[in-house]
Amino acid sequence: KQEVTQIPAALSVPEGENLVLNCSFTDSAIYNLQWFRQDPGKGLTSLLLIQSSQREQTSGRLNASLDKSSGRSTLYIAASQPGDSATYLCAVRQGQAGTALIFGKGTTLSVSS
Amino acid sequence: NAGVMQNPRHLVRRRGQEARLRCSPVKGHSHVYWYRQLPEEGLKFMVYLQKENIIDESGMPKERFSAEFPKEGPSILRIQQVVRGDSAAYFCASSPFQTRDETQYFGPGTRLLVL
Repeated sequence: KQEVTQIPAALSVPEGENLVLNCSFTDSAIYNLQWFRQDPGKGLTSLLLIQSSQREQTSGRLNASLDKSSGRSTLYIAASQPGDSATYLCAVRQGQAGTALIFGKGTTLSVSS
Repeated sequence: NAGVMQNPRHLVRRRGQEARLRCSPVKGHSHVYWYRQLPEEGLKFMVYLQKENIIDESGMPKERFSAEFPKEGPSILRIQQVVRGDSAAYFCASSPFQTRDETQYFGPGTRLLVL
């Protein structure tokens, strides 16, 4: 049974710092991996989607890497800003398109100005 | 381009009542997923539907819960005889027909509180 773990559960950093969020999964046979952002009381916003054949994806100040064989992904946020404060969720898709996502519990990030 | 819409955003029910949660997917999307987020827990898959069909309901409790996605209108998640343990945020996501780069687009959620 696939399990997704995110470490740390919470993180506080000062503005401007670069940071890394970690995601690990127990079954390396994934179809793709997705990083989301969730703001309090809001829905999820997709940040980056990495296919199983890819090693990384970049969008602006965000870079996500995937090491499928070791069951790990990282989300790197450069030059953090207070507006980055949110919960970041990692999710894997086990099968082909059309199957459900399996989520970690998330890392809650707080960036202070 | 409207995203996924869910209503109501907040729903309060007393034990034993019924809860109906609605989800309108992104226009043109024919796949709908329902997830539940319990307090202090991650999102858990409940059910996956295509128009008029339930494809995968492996995450949905066998009793009291049902889901539909009719040919016309929104997808409905129905919870009968609610209990306090049903209190959670229920999220709907939609995606277009299956493609390799498929992304699920999430709605804002319905927060259900059972008194």
